Amino acid sequence: GAVVSQHPSWVICKSGTSVKIECRSLDFQATTMFWYRQFPKQSLMLMATSNEGSKATYEQGVEKDKFLINHASLTLSTLTVTSAHPEDSSFYICSASRDGAYNEQFFGPGTRLTVL
Amino acid sequence: AQSVAQPEDQVNVAEGNPLTVKCTYSVSGNPYLFWYVQYPNRGLQFLLKYITGDNLVKGSYGFEAEFNKSQTSFHLKKPSALVSDSALYFCAVRPNSGGSNYKLTFGKGTLLTVNP
Repeated sequence: GAVVSQHPSWVICKSGTSVKIECRSLDFQATTMFWYRQFPKQSLMLMATSNEGSKATYEQGVEKDKFLINHASLTLSTLTVTSAHPEDSSFYICSASRDGAYNEQFFGPGTRLTVL
Repeated sequence: AQSVAQPEDQVNVAEGNPLTVKCTYSVSGNPYLFWYVQYPNRGLQFLLKYITGDNLVKGSYGFEAEFNKSQTSFHLKKPSALVSDSALYFCAVRPNSGGSNYKLTFGKGTLLTVNP
């Protein structure tokens, strides 16, 4: 149980285009979903926290208009990187937590974004 | 503010030898502590957690960790290392309150290399 999937696992896009990454909790309802960014050989940086049906809470320094987060249901959150640029190239990881169970976070496998 | 320190960027051990990956933390109140492992281009895999109870926690793949409140440490250990244990290890902490919106704080990661 507690499986989180991400799609796509990798994506290459041209500069200026937008890319959508999906995060799904497959066998549980996720009260909260988190989006992280990871640069090579570095730790995870929390970008935003989202609750179903409400606006995401962004961490300081993360551009809301660039990284659009939608948490439309208890099993799906999406991250859209708008007008992507090469500096947005990174590994994006989502996690999901549910009420109870100490609110533990379950992590997705990550999405590698490369912007040319 | 909560924080995690992993003082070693890299740990090298010989196969069959015991391994230790160090972690110290700072958090308000009592902590929930986690260890995750990450293989190249993959998401985080859960290894073990301390919530309450026994200070010695046993987890996946033969790993264990000891919670030491006085030293605010949660070192990861394994009695006999395998080459396949080579990966990036992250320690994480959160306070034991805050509901599903809690934030995990990660250490910077320790690259473990087990030599044949």
